[in-house]
Amino acid sequence: KAGVTQTPRYLIKTRGQQVTLSCSPISGHRSVSWYQQTPGQGLQFLFEYFSETQRNKGNFPGRFSGRQFSNSRSEMNVSTLELGDSALYLCASSPQPGLGEADTQYFGPGTRLTVL
Amino acid sequence: ILNVEQSPQSLHVQEGDSTNFTCSFPSSNFYALHWYRWETAKSPEALFVMTLNGDEKKKGRISATLNTKEGYSYLYIKGSQPEDSATYLCASYNAGNMLTFGGGTRLMVKP
Repeated sequence: KAGVTQTPRYLIKTRGQQVTLSCSPISGHRSVSWYQQTPGQGLQFLFEYFSETQRNKGNFPGRFSGRQFSNSRSEMNVSTLELGDSALYLCASSPQPGLGEADTQYFGPGTRLTVL
Repeated sequence: ILNVEQSPQSLHVQEGDSTNFTCSFPSSNFYALHWYRWETAKSPEALFVMTLNGDEKKKGRISATLNTKEGYSYLYIKGSQPEDSATYLCASYNAGNMLTFGGGTRLMVKP
């Protein structure tokens, strides 16, 4: 079974631009979560999607948005980029949202975004 | 705000040493505790998901325990090997239905 894939792997943008990152979950997984990882803040939850609906959103400004398609693939968008948005963006998929071992999240390799 | 704390932040041990580190989380509205291993240049890899007070899980030389009443979990590595070098993350699944991660413990095992 193929793992979670994220594209692109690396991205360089300038302040004020916008960016779209893509995540393809493991086949059969319907839940996708996004996280931001920065050296100072660690892994922080951005949002979770299930069946094309956003279930939860973390404490991030409205410039961060996302969506999920009918094939469970997900995209996140960051508009009006700021220097502080430079980070590793990880997505994770699970069969469904849940709490037990069957709903373990599997992470992708991440997209490294650098904002200049 | 849910605070998940991990200690120590980093740890250097010799090959063959056994080691352990701690994850603390608020015990109220707790549902599950996840442990991940994150090696450099790789994706975080799930180790354990624990839900019940007193749970103990084991995978090879790595084991974990859970105390939901006092809000802590221990991860143990027996006979550390250089390939165990990684950052170990815990995350608490709380009533808000999202995983909240701790800052991680970076383990370095010297041959």
